Amino acid sequence: KAGVTQTPRYLIKTRGQQVTLSCSPISGHRSVSWYQQTPGQGLQFLFEYFSETQRNKGNFPGRFSGRQFSNSRSEMNVSTLELGDSALYLCASGTDNTVYSGANVLTFGAGSRLTVL
Amino acid sequence: AQSVTQLGSHVSVSEGALVLLRCNYSSSVPPYLFWYVQYPNQGLQLLLKYTSAATLVKGINGFEAEFKKSETSFHLTKPSAHMSDAAEYFCAVSRNNNDMRFGAGTRLTVKP
Repeated sequence: KAGVTQTPRYLIKTRGQQVTLSCSPISGHRSVSWYQQTPGQGLQFLFEYFSETQRNKGNFPGRFSGRQFSNSRSEMNVSTLELGDSALYLCASGTDNTVYSGANVLTFGAGSRLTVL
Repeated sequence: AQSVTQLGSHVSVSEGALVLLRCNYSSSVPPYLFWYVQYPNQGLQLLLKYTSAATLVKGINGFEAEFKKSETSFHLTKPSAHMSDAAEYFCAVSRNNNDMRFGAGTRLTVKP
C-alpha cells in the first residue's frame, strides 16, 4: 500500500510569508503527527491529530497550526515565517490506538524541506 | 515527562565491526521504545520497537536492541556493520504512541 505522502517536497519562502504543508497518511490510518527537524534542535514534536481533533501539542508558538480533514489528510500552516522556521517538516501516520495497546507505529513521509530567506 | 538520551552524536566503525548505539530513557511509566533510521533526504524508517513483550527485540537489517529496565537503557546493536548502515539513528520513547519523543540522533559512519 502507498506510504505517507508529503507535498511539496521542497519550498522556499521569504520572511513574513506563510506556508501550508500537506500530508496524506497511509490508507486506514487516522492519526497524523507532525515534527520539525533542524540541525540544532533535532526532531521536535509539533502536534498530533486523530479523527479531525488535535490530541497533543508540542511547545511551538501559535504561528504553527494544523488541521485534519475527514479523509485523514492533514495540513500544517506556519504564518509570519521567520528564518528559524527553516527545517525539514516530517509527517507521520499511525493506526488507531488505545493506551498501552502497543500496536501503533509511526510511519514517516519523506518530509517537506522549507527554506526561509 | 518522558525523554531519551542518545550517548554520542557520532559513531564511527569499520565495515564488519560491531555497531553499538546507546540510548537511555526516562519515563514515569512503562514506555514504548523505538529505534528509527534516517538516510539523507529521507524520512524516518522504523528499525524495531519494544512494547513490553520480549526484552530482546530483533529488527530489520540485522539490528537488535535489548530493553534493560534496571539500567533504563535500550541500546541498538548489529554484529557486523555494512557500508549501507551509514545513516542517522534515532531512539524514541512514547507512553501511548500519540506523543513520540526523539533523542538527538547518532550519526553512524562506516569505514571501508
